[in-house]
Amino acid sequence: NAGVTQTPKFRVLKTGQSMTLLCAQDMNHEYMYWYRQDPGMGLRLIHYSVGEGTTAKGEVPDGYNVSRLKKQNFLLGLESAAPSQTSVYFCASSKQGIQPQHFGDGTRLSIL
Amino acid sequence: ELKVEQNPLFLSMQEGKNYTIYCNYSTTSDRLYWYRQDPGKSLESLFVLLSNGAVKQEGRLMASLDTKARLSTLHITAAVHDLSATYFCAVDTTGNQFYFGTGTSLTVIP
Repeated sequence: NAGVTQTPKFRVLKTGQSMTLLCAQDMNHEYMYWYRQDPGMGLRLIHYSVGEGTTAKGEVPDGYNVSRLKKQNFLLGLESAAPSQTSVYFCASSKQGIQPQHFGDGTRLSIL
Repeated sequence: ELKVEQNPLFLSMQEGKNYTIYCNYSTTSDRLYWYRQDPGKSLESLFVLLSNGAVKQEGRLMASLDTKARLSTLHITAAVHDLSATYFCAVDTTGNQFYFGTGTSLTVIP
């Protein structure tokens, strides 16, 4: 009964380092999303994918890249981390765009 | 860019009381979602509203959508402590781009 699994759950980076966040879903969902959540700002969409091999920009894509090589996985990359990217990152998936999203438990990322 | 505003941002209410959370959005859409988030936890879907006049109810929560007014409400009836959480509305115009409100932090006190 895994649903949406995010790896890692916590991470501390230094400015300029790179890393990849992994999101895996076992519900055979077509749509996957990456959000960031900052205090007082709700969730903001970074990138999304409507199917294997597809990606598209969301509201705040700068500084991030994504890949969806397999239907069940959606990777979020930070090439050169900046303190402004300190946030909680949530991955979500849905069967179709109009259906409710299922969220992972989040990744707390701090960049010093 | 679509703007989604929720009010109030913070709500403290007594058990047994009724209250309404409002979600206003800035552009035409007939797709609105409500989510709940407990502190330090993930988001859980509550309601999906897909047409003007849609009304959904689950337990003590009832959500409605008025697309002409660009307004959704989440009504809480006879609040209980277990409803303490942050509630988010989210609007989608294309089936892909979702815009979330800033959230309403609800505390139900005995």
